[in-house]
Amino acid sequence: EVQLVESGGAVVQRGGSLRLSCAASGFTFNRYAMHWVRQVPGKGLEWVSVISWDGGRINYADSVKGRVILSRDNSKNSLYLQMSSLRPEDTAFYYCAKDSGPTADAGVFEFWGRGTLVTVSA
Amino acid sequence: SYVLTQPPSVSVAPGKTARITCGGDNIGSGSVHWYQQKPGQAPVLVISYDSDRPSGIPERISGSNSGDTATLTISRVEAGDEADYYCQVWDSTTDHLVFGGGTKLTVL
Repeated sequence: EVQLVESGGAVVQRGGSLRLSCAASGFTFNRYAMHWVRQVPGKGLEWVSVISWDGGRINYADSVKGRVILSRDNSKNSLYLQMSSLRPEDTAFYYCAKDSGPTADAGVFEFWGRGTLVTVSA
Repeated sequence: SYVLTQPPSVSVAPGKTARITCGGDNIGSGSVHWYQQKPGQAPVLVISYDSDRPSGIPERISGSNSGDTATLTISRVEAGDEADYYCQVWDSTTDHLVFGGGTKLTVL
Protein backbone atom coordinates (compact mmCIF):
# COMPACT_ATOMS: atom_id res chain seq x y z
CA GLU A 1 0.00 0.00 0.00
CA VAL A 2 1.36 3.39 -1.02
CA GLN A 3 1.79 5.75 1.90
CA LEU A 4 3.00 9.33 1.97
CA VAL A 5 3.39 10.88 5.39
CA GLU A 6 4.23 14.55 5.71
CA SER A 7 5.76 16.09 8.80
CA GLY A 8 7.42 19.27 9.92
CA GLY A 9 4.49 21.64 9.84
CA ALA A 10 4.47 24.20 12.63
CA VAL A 11 3.66 27.75 13.64
CA VAL A 12 6.51 30.05 12.66
CA GLN A 13 7.01 33.78 12.61
CA ARG A 14 7.24 35.87 9.47
CA GLY A 15 10.75 35.59 8.05
CA GLY A 16 11.35 32.25 9.69
CA SER A 17 12.36 28.90 8.25
CA LEU A 18 10.92 25.42 8.25
CA ARG A 19 11.78 22.04 6.77
CA LEU A 20 8.98 19.78 5.65
CA SER A 21 9.52 16.08 5.14
CA CYS A 22 7.59 13.40 3.32
CA ALA A 23 8.22 9.75 4.11
CA ALA A 24 7.25 7.40 1.30
CA SER A 25 6.53 3.69 1.41
CA GLY A 26 4.78 1.02 -0.57
CA PHE A 27 6.38 1.81 -3.93
CA THR A 28 9.81 2.13 -5.51
CA PHE A 29 10.49 5.71 -4.52
CA ASN A 30 13.49 6.27 -6.81
CA ARG A 31 11.40 5.63 -9.92
CA TYR A 32 8.99 8.52 -9.55
CA ALA A 33 8.92 12.28 -9.59
CA MET A 34 7.50 13.86 -6.46
CA HIS A 35 5.62 17.12 -5.91
CA TRP A 36 4.53 19.47 -3.16
CA VAL A 37 1.10 21.07 -3.42
CA ARG A 38 -0.34 23.49 -0.89
CA GLN A 39 -3.82 24.60 0.04
CA VAL A 40 -4.89 27.52 2.14
CA PRO A 41 -7.73 26.22 4.35
CA GLY A 42 -10.99 26.71 2.51
CA LYS A 43 -9.26 27.68 -0.75
CA GLY A 44 -8.00 25.96 -3.87
CA LEU A 45 -4.95 23.86 -4.67
CA GLU A 46 -1.64 25.51 -5.54
CA TRP A 47 1.31 23.61 -6.98
CA VAL A 48 4.58 24.40 -5.21
CA SER A 49 7.39 22.32 -6.66
CA VAL A 50 8.44 19.10 -8.38
CA ILE A 51 11.60 16.99 -8.38
CA SER A 52 12.40 14.28 -10.90
CA TRP A 53 13.24 10.73 -9.90
CA ASP A 54 16.95 11.40 -9.60
CA GLY A 55 16.80 14.99 -8.43
CA GLY A 56 18.23 16.15 -11.72
CA ARG A 57 15.32 18.38 -12.57
CA ILE A 58 13.53 20.64 -10.11
CA ASN A 59 10.89 23.27 -10.84
CA TYR A 60 9.30 25.83 -8.53
CA ALA A 61 6.18 27.93 -8.62
CA ASP A 62 6.90 31.62 -9.01
CA SER A 63 5.31 32.29 -5.62
CA VAL A 64 8.02 30.33 -3.79
CA LYS A 65 11.00 30.45 -6.14
CA GLY A 66 14.11 31.69 -4.35
CA ARG A 67 12.64 30.92 -0.93
CA VAL A 68 12.30 27.14 -1.00
CA ILE A 69 14.59 24.28 -1.87
CA LEU A 70 13.24 20.88 -2.83
CA SER A 71 15.38 17.79 -2.40
CA ARG A 72 15.07 14.05 -2.05
CA ASP A 73 17.04 11.22 -0.50
CA ASN A 74 16.28 8.06 -2.42
CA SER A 75 18.24 5.96 0.08
CA LYS A 76 15.77 7.05 2.76
CA ASN A 77 12.65 7.17 0.58
CA SER A 78 12.17 10.76 1.65
CA LEU A 79 11.31 14.11 0.16
CA TYR A 80 12.19 17.45 1.73
CA LEU A 81 11.05 21.04 1.31
CA GLN A 82 13.29 23.61 2.95
CA MET A 83 11.34 26.83 3.33
CA SER A 84 12.82 30.19 4.31
CA SER A 85 11.80 33.85 4.42
CA LEU A 86 8.31 32.64 5.22
CA ARG A 87 5.37 34.98 4.75
CA PRO A 88 1.81 34.92 6.14
CA GLU A 89 0.59 34.02 2.66
CA ASP A 90 2.59 30.78 2.89
CA THR A 91 0.13 29.60 5.55
CA ALA A 92 -1.43 26.44 4.16
CA PHE A 93 -1.68 22.69 4.29
CA TYR A 94 1.28 21.23 2.40
CA TYR A 95 0.73 17.92 0.62
CA CYS A 96 3.36 15.73 -0.96
CA ALA A 97 2.15 13.84 -3.99
CA LYS A 98 3.51 10.98 -6.06
CA ASP A 99 3.65 11.44 -9.79
CA SER A 100 2.78 8.64 -12.19
CA GLY A 101 6.17 8.84 -13.92
CA PRO A 102 9.85 9.58 -13.31
CA THR A 103 10.16 12.96 -14.95
CA ALA A 104 9.04 16.34 -13.74
CA ASP A 105 6.54 16.96 -16.53
CA ALA A 106 3.90 14.27 -16.15
CA GLY A 107 2.02 15.87 -13.31
CA VAL A 108 -0.46 13.11 -12.60
CA PHE A 109 -0.92 12.68 -8.87
CA GLU A 110 -1.92 9.10 -8.21
CA PHE A 111 -1.31 9.35 -4.49
CA TRP A 112 -1.31 12.16 -1.95
CA GLY A 113 -0.32 12.41 1.67
CA ARG A 114 -2.70 13.77 4.27
CA GLY A 115 -0.83 17.06 4.53
CA THR A 116 0.98 19.05 7.19
CA LEU A 117 -0.09 22.51 8.31
CA VAL A 118 2.27 25.46 8.13
CA THR A 119 1.14 28.61 9.88
CA VAL A 120 3.12 31.82 9.46
CA SER A 121 2.24 34.50 11.97
CA ALA A 122 2.58 38.14 11.13
CA SER B 1 1.26 32.20 -17.07
CA TYR B 2 -1.31 29.65 -18.14
CA VAL B 3 -4.73 30.04 -16.56
CA LEU B 4 -7.44 27.41 -16.08
CA THR B 5 -10.95 28.73 -15.46
CA GLN B 6 -13.61 26.70 -13.65
CA PRO B 7 -17.07 27.77 -12.50
CA PRO B 8 -17.06 28.25 -8.72
CA SER B 9 -20.10 26.09 -8.24
CA VAL B 10 -22.36 23.60 -9.97
CA SER B 11 -25.61 22.28 -8.53
CA VAL B 12 -27.45 19.17 -9.68
CA ALA B 13 -30.30 17.00 -8.47
CA PRO B 14 -29.64 13.38 -7.57
CA GLY B 15 -29.79 11.08 -10.56
CA LYS B 16 -29.07 13.87 -13.03
CA THR B 17 -25.89 14.67 -14.92
CA ALA B 18 -23.32 17.20 -13.72
CA ARG B 19 -20.88 18.82 -16.10
CA ILE B 20 -17.92 20.75 -14.78
CA THR B 21 -15.92 22.75 -17.29
CA CYS B 22 -12.30 23.81 -17.31
CA GLY B 23 -11.36 26.52 -19.76
CA GLY B 24 -7.90 27.28 -21.02
CA ASP B 25 -6.25 28.58 -24.16
CA ASN B 26 -6.09 25.61 -26.55
CA ILE B 27 -6.35 23.23 -23.62
CA GLY B 28 -7.34 20.49 -26.03
CA SER B 29 -3.79 20.28 -27.35
CA GLY B 30 -2.58 18.86 -24.03
CA SER B 31 -3.66 16.49 -21.30
CA VAL B 32 -6.01 17.38 -18.47
CA HIS B 33 -6.33 15.62 -15.15
CA TRP B 34 -9.16 15.93 -12.63
CA TYR B 35 -9.22 15.57 -8.85
CA GLN B 36 -12.04 15.22 -6.36
CA GLN B 37 -11.60 16.59 -2.85
CA LYS B 38 -14.04 16.06 -0.02
CA PRO B 39 -13.91 18.16 3.18
CA GLY B 40 -10.99 17.32 5.42
CA GLN B 41 -9.49 14.90 2.92
CA ALA B 42 -6.65 14.93 0.43
CA PRO B 43 -7.56 15.14 -3.25
CA VAL B 44 -8.19 11.97 -5.23
CA LEU B 45 -7.41 11.51 -8.92
CA VAL B 46 -10.64 10.74 -10.77
CA ILE B 47 -9.64 11.32 -14.42
CA SER B 48 -6.19 11.36 -16.01
CA TYR B 49 -5.11 12.17 -19.56
CA ASP B 50 -8.46 13.72 -20.43
CA SER B 51 -10.61 10.61 -20.07
CA ASP B 52 -8.82 7.74 -18.33
CA ARG B 53 -10.36 6.47 -15.12
CA PRO B 54 -8.02 5.17 -12.42
CA SER B 55 -8.86 1.89 -10.80
CA GLY B 56 -11.81 2.22 -8.45
CA ILE B 57 -13.36 5.27 -10.08
CA PRO B 58 -16.92 4.51 -11.23
CA GLU B 59 -17.83 4.55 -14.90
CA ARG B 60 -20.33 7.31 -14.11
CA ILE B 61 -17.38 9.68 -14.11
CA SER B 62 -15.93 10.60 -17.48
CA GLY B 63 -13.89 13.32 -19.11
CA SER B 64 -13.37 14.99 -22.44
CA ASN B 65 -11.07 17.66 -23.78
CA SER B 66 -11.26 19.64 -26.99
CA GLY B 67 -10.55 23.16 -28.19
CA ASP B 68 -10.51 25.57 -25.28
CA THR B 69 -12.58 23.47 -22.87
CA ALA B 70 -12.17 20.28 -20.90
CA THR B 71 -15.22 18.78 -19.25
CA LEU B 72 -15.72 16.43 -16.33
CA THR B 73 -19.06 14.66 -16.55
CA ILE B 74 -20.68 12.85 -13.65
CA SER B 75 -23.76 10.84 -14.62
CA ARG B 76 -26.46 9.62 -12.24
CA VAL B 77 -25.16 11.94 -9.56
CA GLU B 78 -25.23 10.66 -6.00
CA ALA B 79 -25.00 12.46 -2.68
CA GLY B 80 -21.51 11.05 -2.25
CA ASP B 81 -20.32 12.95 -5.32
CA GLU B 82 -20.66 16.23 -3.45
CA ALA B 83 -17.12 17.62 -3.34
CA ASP B 84 -14.72 20.13 -4.82
CA TYR B 85 -13.33 19.24 -8.24
CA TYR B 86 -10.09 20.58 -9.71
CA CYS B 87 -8.71 20.37 -13.22
CA GLN B 88 -4.96 20.39 -13.75
CA VAL B 89 -2.42 20.55 -16.57
CA TRP B 90 1.33 20.71 -17.00
CA ASP B 91 2.35 23.91 -18.78
CA SER B 92 5.38 22.95 -20.85
CA THR B 93 6.15 26.55 -21.81
CA THR B 94 6.89 27.48 -18.19
CA ASP B 95 7.53 24.01 -16.75
CA HIS B 96 4.88 24.75 -14.17
CA LEU B 97 1.93 22.69 -13.07
CA VAL B 98 -1.37 24.57 -13.06
CA PHE B 99 -4.61 23.91 -11.20
CA GLY B 100 -7.97 25.38 -11.97
CA GLY B 101 -9.65 27.35 -9.20
CA GLY B 102 -11.93 24.48 -8.31
CA THR B 103 -15.66 23.84 -8.60
CA LYS B 104 -17.89 22.98 -5.69
CA LEU B 105 -20.43 20.37 -6.74
CA THR B 106 -23.61 20.54 -4.69
CA VAL B 107 -26.14 17.73 -4.84
CA LEU B 108 -29.55 19.24 -4.24
